[in-house]
Amino acid sequence: GENVEQHPSTLSVQEGDSAVIKCTYSDSASNYFPWYKQELGKRPQLIIDIRSNVGEKKDQRIAVTLNKTAKHFSLHITETQPEDSAVYFCAARSSGAGSYQLTFGKGTKLSVIP
Amino acid sequence: DTEVTQTPKHLVMGMTNKKSLKCEQHMGHRAMYWYKQKAKKPPELMFVYSYEKLSINESVPSRFSPECPNSSLLNLHLHALQPEDSALYLCASSPQDRGAYEQYFGPGTRLTVT
Repeated sequence: GENVEQHPSTLSVQEGDSAVIKCTYSDSASNYFPWYKQELGKRPQLIIDIRSNVGEKKDQRIAVTLNKTAKHFSLHITETQPEDSAVYFCAARSSGAGSYQLTFGKGTKLSVIP
Repeated sequence: DTEVTQTPKHLVMGMTNKKSLKCEQHMGHRAMYWYKQKAKKPPELMFVYSYEKLSINESVPSRFSPECPNSSLLNLHLHALQPEDSALYLCASSPQDRGAYEQYFGPGTRLTVT
């Protein structure tokens, strides 16, 4: 089955700096890669996603890049703000057998220091 | 509208009680999911319903019983739970159960078993 590794587990940045979170996946048949933001006590919120036919996607201050050859994808947050503080989960979904489920990384706790 | 709703928000139950969690979506999604999330962990898949039929049961104990009365509703019936079942229970939905489709989470039910 799919295995997703996420790094780092914790990340502290100064307000205004950039933050980068990296994930690797094992199943070359994976074709969908969402990122979720979860604030304390709240639901995981889909913030951006990328499909395997695209190398990069951007939405205002957040961007995701995908390297299919190396089987890794990354979340980039620019001009970080205190409200970006949360736990971020990456996930991967395979197009092969068992493609019904998202496989999540273990999460990155991002703290933005004012 | 990308909203999935869940009731109740909080639930405290004894080990001999029977209770139900409810989930609703009106996005026309044909796949619905139950997840369990422990603190500081990613969501853990429990059940998948596709076109109102149970397609996946991730070896969940029988004290958890899912039900999908129609395409918009998903229930999780709880009976004889253990304290270790205390967690955030998340419902999610997506257009289909397979493929590169977005998956949206509800706000969750915070369950405490005493």
